[in-house]
Amino acid sequence: GENVEQHPSTLSVQEGDSAVIKCTYSDSASNYFPWYKQELGKGPQLIIDIRSNVGEKKDQRIAVTLNKTAKHFSLHITETQPEDSAVYFCAATGYKLSFGAGTTVTVRA
Amino acid sequence: EPEVTQTPSHQVTQMGQEVILRCVPISNHLYFYWYRQILGQKVEFLVSFYNNEISEKSEIFDDQFSVERPDGSNFTLKIRSTKLEDSAMYFCASSSTRGDSPLHFGNGTRLTVT
Repeated sequence: GENVEQHPSTLSVQEGDSAVIKCTYSDSASNYFPWYKQELGKGPQLIIDIRSNVGEKKDQRIAVTLNKTAKHFSLHITETQPEDSAVYFCAATGYKLSFGAGTTVTVRA
Repeated sequence: EPEVTQTPSHQVTQMGQEVILRCVPISNHLYFYWYRQILGQKVEFLVSFYNNEISEKSEIFDDQFSVERPDGSNFTLKIRSTKLEDSAMYFCASSSTRGDSPLHFGNGTRLTVT
């Protein structure tokens, strides 16, 4: 089955700086890569996703990149704000969604 | 925006008891899922359900677990005889298609087995 590795496990950034989270996956058949944000006491909420026929996607301060050859994908958050503080999960799916272990992002004011 | 709703938000039960966790998926979605998250760990797949049957299940989803869609709106997860290690957040999710469409998650049920 799919195995998704996520790094780093924790990330502390100064407000206004960028945050980058990296993931790798094992199943070359995976074709859909969503990113979820989980705030305390809530379920994962989709923030952005990318499909295997696209190399990069951007939505305001959030961007994702995908390198299918290397089986890498990354989340970039620019101009971080305190409300970006949360746990972020990458995921990959060809048949079922498999999650990375999560990155706890703390934005220091 | 439509959302997935889960009840109860918190369930406390004694070891060996049966629990039923309830979910109302988004109304026009056809695929339903249960995931589990032990405190501080990753979100783990339990089971997927489509067309009134299980389409895939993980190793975690053993004979103590079952799922049901008893009517047109609810989707339930039953644990027959709870163990201490079943304590976790259980998330229900739904999607309109399988594979490359977003899963929409509920806010979860925190199950505490004592």
